[in-house]
Amino acid sequence: DQQVKQNSPSLSVQEGRISILNCDYTNSMFDYFLWYKKYPAEGPTFLISISSIKDKNEDGRFTVFLNKSAKHLSLHIVPSQPGDSAVYFCAAKGEKSSGDKLTFGTGTRLAVRP
Amino acid sequence: GAVVSQHPSRVICKSGTSVKIECRSLDFQATTMFWYRQFPKQSLMLMATSNEGSKATYEQGVEKDKFLINHASLTLSTLTVTSAHPEDSSFYICSPFPREGYEQYFGPGTRLTVT
Repeated sequence: DQQVKQNSPSLSVQEGRISILNCDYTNSMFDYFLWYKKYPAEGPTFLISISSIKDKNEDGRFTVFLNKSAKHLSLHIVPSQPGDSAVYFCAAKGEKSSGDKLTFGTGTRLAVRP
Repeated sequence: GAVVSQHPSRVICKSGTSVKIECRSLDFQATTMFWYRQFPKQSLMLMATSNEGSKATYEQGVEKDKFLINHASLTLSTLTVTSAHPEDSSFYICSPFPREGYEQYFGPGTRLTVT
């Protein structure tokens, strides 16, 4: 049972344009969401997070939007840069459901074309 | 971000042998340690959760006698893959959870190949 889903396994974007990565979840007890970036043979690197009490969080070129009613979140990267090319995982956790355990999505491979 | 080290980064072993992977949080104390593995083109799957000084809690389908976890201190945890088989070949990643704070950081991972 995949509680966190990233339905797009890959995404290709032109440098300078916006990258939008999507994530859906099914567990309504999740209350904290995170995005990680991962290169091959490396551990995930934390990018940005959002609590369920917010609907938007921004950090430089990265913005995460949360739509609780739709159980959907998205990561916007603007402007996209070639160095952003990696696999992006969304993750979720909820104190009342799984405590500090993170549930990961399946990942989206982003390729930014120069 | 927080500094987490894992050793070794890459290991090749023969079937039937045991391999120990170390995970250290270098600039914070971790009361909880999560161990994940990732098979090619798949998501990170949680294997077990350990709290310092107590036994680990394993996820469904993960054999506790095969994957031994020791979390003896707030900065060090080890995962030992006992009697390794080729199907145990995977990318193992530790994630120490800090005593304070809400973000979760990850080690660089260990690529295990069992021949």
